[in-house]
Amino acid sequence: QVQLVESGGGVVQSGRSLRLSCAASRFTFSNYGMHWVRQAPGKGLEWVAVIWYDGSEQYYVDSVKGRFTVSRDNSRNMLYLQMNSLRPDDTAVYYCVRDRGGRHYFDYWGQGTVVTVSS
Amino acid sequence: QSALTQPASVSGSPGQSITISCTGTNSDIGAYNWVSWYQQLPGKAPELMIYDVSNRPSGVSNRFSGSKSGNTASLTISGLQPEDEADYYCSSYTSSSTLFGGGTKLTVL
Repeated sequence: QVQLVESGGGVVQSGRSLRLSCAASRFTFSNYGMHWVRQAPGKGLEWVAVIWYDGSEQYYVDSVKGRFTVSRDNSRNMLYLQMNSLRPDDTAVYYCVRDRGGRHYFDYWGQGTVVTVSS
Repeated sequence: QSALTQPASVSGSPGQSITISCTGTNSDIGAYNWVSWYQQLPGKAPELMIYDVSNRPSGVSNRFSGSKSGNTASLTISGLQPEDEADYYCSSYTSSSTLFGGGTKLTVL
């Protein structure tokens, strides 16, 4: 069974940085696009970023452009999200998700990691 | 870009059918047949229920079905069961990104 395990969440002050990691296993990681999706407390899902299977392209939601960077290491089956200049409205559970077929739908989700940005 | 529009809540009795709508624009739902639906139980990660408008992943009950007309997609759950009570989210591809709906809370009375 596919496994996605996020780590790196925590409590951080506004303006600081945090790096999330996602360890992927039990599938050929280098064949799949990967995304980050977040969910603020009591709110709905929000797509954050995508990185193509080979790392050649990345795209972001407007609210994080210039602050967040998604990357991957296919040799280590790892996905990352570098988050800089964090704001209180970045507080959320961050999910690592697998893209099935390159059509931006998500067949496997991690358990999520909690990021809390204090002001 | 704005989120897709879903009703905040729907309800139904066991055995009944319900439909959740998801309205977008001709830049997202109207432009692509890449609409998906997710079920989220309390405290859990979302689970894929429908992809490519109307396809079910292996293991998802055939009580769940999806459709699309113009800029609006729909999720229908037939033969409602108590375990269907959850939050449901639609999503659509658009211009190298993904939009989600605001979510619909399904209550099984």
